[in-house]
Amino acid sequence: AQSVTQLDSQVPVFEEAPVELRCNYSSSVSVYLFWYVQYPNQGLQLLLKYLSGSTLVESINGFEAEFNKSQTSFHLRKPSVHISDTAEYFCAVSASGTYKYIFGTGTRLKVLA
Amino acid sequence: GAGVSQSPRYKVAKRGQDVALRCDPISGHVSLFWYQQALGQGPEFLTYFQNEAQLDKSGLPSDRFFAERPEGSVSTLKIQRTQQEDSAVYLCASSPTRRRDTQYFGPGTRLTVL
Repeated sequence: AQSVTQLDSQVPVFEEAPVELRCNYSSSVSVYLFWYVQYPNQGLQLLLKYLSGSTLVESINGFEAEFNKSQTSFHLRKPSVHISDTAEYFCAVSASGTYKYIFGTGTRLKVLA
Repeated sequence: GAGVSQSPRYKVAKRGQDVALRCDPISGHVSLFWYQQALGQGPEFLTYFQNEAQLDKSGLPSDRFFAERPEGSVSTLKIQRTQQEDSAVYLCASSPTRRRDTQYFGPGTRLTVL
């Protein structure tokens, strides 16, 4: 069975500071990895994904994540956050042989002025 | 183009009532998923359709939960005899292929059972 752990339930950070949201997964088979963002009263929006190939993936709004197989991690980073990045971020895994996602419990990022 | 839509966006039910939640996936998407998101938690898988076939319903919490997608497009999640623990946001997602793929989520239906 697969599982996803997001250890930080809340992360406060000042505007223009860097941030890292941690995601660790457990799986005995190969996985696809995703980060989704959820703004208040909105649905989940795909931020970025790792399917194969380069282990460093980037989003259009400055986020990046690196797949680290040895550490079973897929941490999300941004070098300089904006107020508009305030949202909840979910890490998800999709294991080989299945279609469904397994989600972490989410990390609430609060960017402070 | 249009994304995944869900209706109603909010539903309040009295305990014991039946509810029906609708999902309109992105046109042409083969796969459709339902997830349940309790307050403060990540979404949890309920069921999966490939076209009209329900291939996985392992996440449905009880036989009070029933989902269908009769024509391979719109899907309905029905909850019979609702209970307070059914209160959650119900998310629908679709993806374009039969393979493991990116899922596109709707805004969800927030169900409150009183």
